[in-house]
This record gives sequence, structure tokens and C-alpha cells, in this order.
Amino acid sequence: DADVTQTPRNRITKTGKRIMLECSQTKGHDRMYWYRQDPGLGLRLIYYSFDVKDINKGEISDGYSVSRQAQAKFSLSLESAIPNQTALYFCATSDLGLGSPTDTQYFGPGTRLTVL
Amino acid sequence: GEDVEQSLFLSVREGDSSVINCTYTDSSSTYLYWYKQEPGAGLQLLTYIFSNMDMKQDQRLTVLLNKKDKHLSLRIADTQTGDSAIYFCAEGERGGSQGNLIFGKGTKLSVKP
Repeated sequence: DADVTQTPRNRITKTGKRIMLECSQTKGHDRMYWYRQDPGLGLRLIYYSFDVKDINKGEISDGYSVSRQAQAKFSLSLESAIPNQTALYFCATSDLGLGSPTDTQYFGPGTRLTVL
Repeated sequence: GEDVEQSLFLSVREGDSSVINCTYTDSSSTYLYWYKQEPGAGLQLLTYIFSNMDMKQDQRLTVLLNKKDKHLSLRIADTQTGDSAIYFCAEGERGGSQGNLIFGKGTKLSVKP
């Protein structure tokens, strides 16, 4: 089973609709991240969370909100979707534990969102 | 601000070596990473190098780091069609206040038979 899962994998919605993308992990990591990927722009950080009570804005947080429901779950919401939010969205986790040699991030498979 | 730059495309023939280059600006970076993204899939960690190392080899992969010039490269020996993917360079600082990685835009590697 995958360590980091995302649902849905694909979603088509209309402008103005509310959308929630969900991420779950079984790695036991404290840190979780949401990125979006656009062609030619690479990955950009939307929000990140160091633990359940610690949520921070990333580079492009406008138009998005997040909820860290538990250590293993981090959801991304688009309150009122717009077409320029059409992108591939990735969730990632990392662990800065004492035994960890790096703060390597592990990625989910991605959610392809299309806003019409 | 912090920035990571990569060329967008690289095309090689099967069996040749591929070299993907990356430059970064943050001199406090502790770790530098290479991620691979196959079509329709998420990012997969390929390898990483600690900033006090010059070279790291892992089977067909060789990572070279020139810390003075802030230049990182990934060499894939005997490139195969299965190596066709987008390769992302990323830098990170362990324990940094943001705790996130800064990614380049990715280099699309095309391997021709």
C-alpha cells in the first residue's frame, strides 16, 4: 500500500464550486505539505503543517485553505474554484526526527484538478 | 530570494550518458535532492547529497556538487528509455524555519531508442 495517498485522483468542477482535496499518510510523519504543479512553473508550495496545531502559508496560499484533522490527514480546500486553479496538486510528508538524516519529502501520486 | 534553476529539456540516445544540471542560490542549503517524476505519477526521491560532500554515486546515478559555484549535476550512465521523465532539483535546509524544499522547474529528459 502507498505511504501517501490522495483523493480524488482526478476532478473536474465548475467555477465557484467548493472543492476539497484529501491527503492521508501512513508514514507517521509530523510534517505535511500541499504543492501545485503547473507546466513550466515546477512545484509551488501552497500550505504546510509542522504538526496538528501548526499550519503555515506557503508561496501561493491565496484562494486556498487547509485543515490538519489529524497527524495522518491534511486536506486542501478551494472555497470558490476559479479556472486558473486548474493544476496538478501534490501532497507530501516529511519527518525531522532525531534519527532522520534528512528532511526528505515523500510525495503522493497527485490530484489532477480542472476548473471549467 | 532563494532560487533553483534548471534547463527545461534534455534529449539523449539510449545507452548514452545524461547530465542534468542545476544551480541554486541559497548558500545555507544543507541538502540537495534529485526527484524523478514519471508521466502521470508523483515525485519520487532519486538521491540526495549533503552539502559537505562533493560526489555521491548510487548505481547508474552520480551526483556532483560544486558548492563554491552552487552547481549540482545528476549524471545517469547508460540511459534507458525508462529513464524518460522530468527530473527536479531541490534544495533544503534541515531544521529551517520553513521546513520546505525549494524546487527547480524540472528538466524533461527524453531518451530516444
